[in-house]
Amino acid sequence: QVQLQESGPGLVKPSQTLSLTCTVSGGSISGGTYYWSWIRQPAGKGLEWIGRIYSSGSTNYNPSLKSRVAMSVDTSKNLFSLNLSSVTAADTAVYYCARNKANYFDYWGQGTLVTVSS
Amino acid sequence: QSVLTQPPSVSGAPGQRVTISCTGSSSNIGTFIDVHWYQQLPGTAPKLLIFGDRHRPSGVPDRFSGSKSGTSASLAISGLQAEDEADYYCQSFDTSLNAWVFGGGTKLTV
Repeated sequence: QVQLQESGPGLVKPSQTLSLTCTVSGGSISGGTYYWSWIRQPAGKGLEWIGRIYSSGSTNYNPSLKSRVAMSVDTSKNLFSLNLSSVTAADTAVYYCARNKANYFDYWGQGTLVTVSS
Repeated sequence: QSVLTQPPSVSGAPGQRVTISCTGSSSNIGTFIDVHWYQQLPGTAPKLLIFGDRHRPSGVPDRFSGSKSGTSASLAISGLQAEDEADYYCQSFDTSLNAWVFGGGTKLTV
């Protein structure tokens, strides 16, 4: 059973960079034809796909966030990461990592709340 | 404003059947691109409920079913149970945005 766990600071100051890591267990991040995605959800609102990364390092980002997003993968540690720069209060949300199988998301982490505030 | 449109809320009594609609456009649901559905119980992460328009992952009861016609999709839940009370999201890929997109979510009250 694949499990994903997000980790990172719960509070980030405006204009700084939000950095999160997703550790994958129960399966290799390099195994199969899966991509690995980040998705966020502001309180009381819907879901927004941020971007995805393959084990090779190939990425796809949501055009609405592309200028501020960078994702990386560390296959030796079985984890992938998200950096979101120049954050504002609008970036306050629960951030989920998820496994991207074909065109859907079959395994999700429990989510981590990131608040942008001074 | 979500690319995929869902009703904000639906409700039904225990044992009844409800449907949740998801309306898209020619750049997503209408271009032979699959629709998927997620259930999000309060305070938890979304859980895959239906993939590929109508397929259920292992462990999902057959009370949940999905369908698609044209630029719209539907999730049907029969034999409503109290534990079905949750938010439900549809999801697809948009070829114009080149991004995976979600509906705004529908809150089901049982």
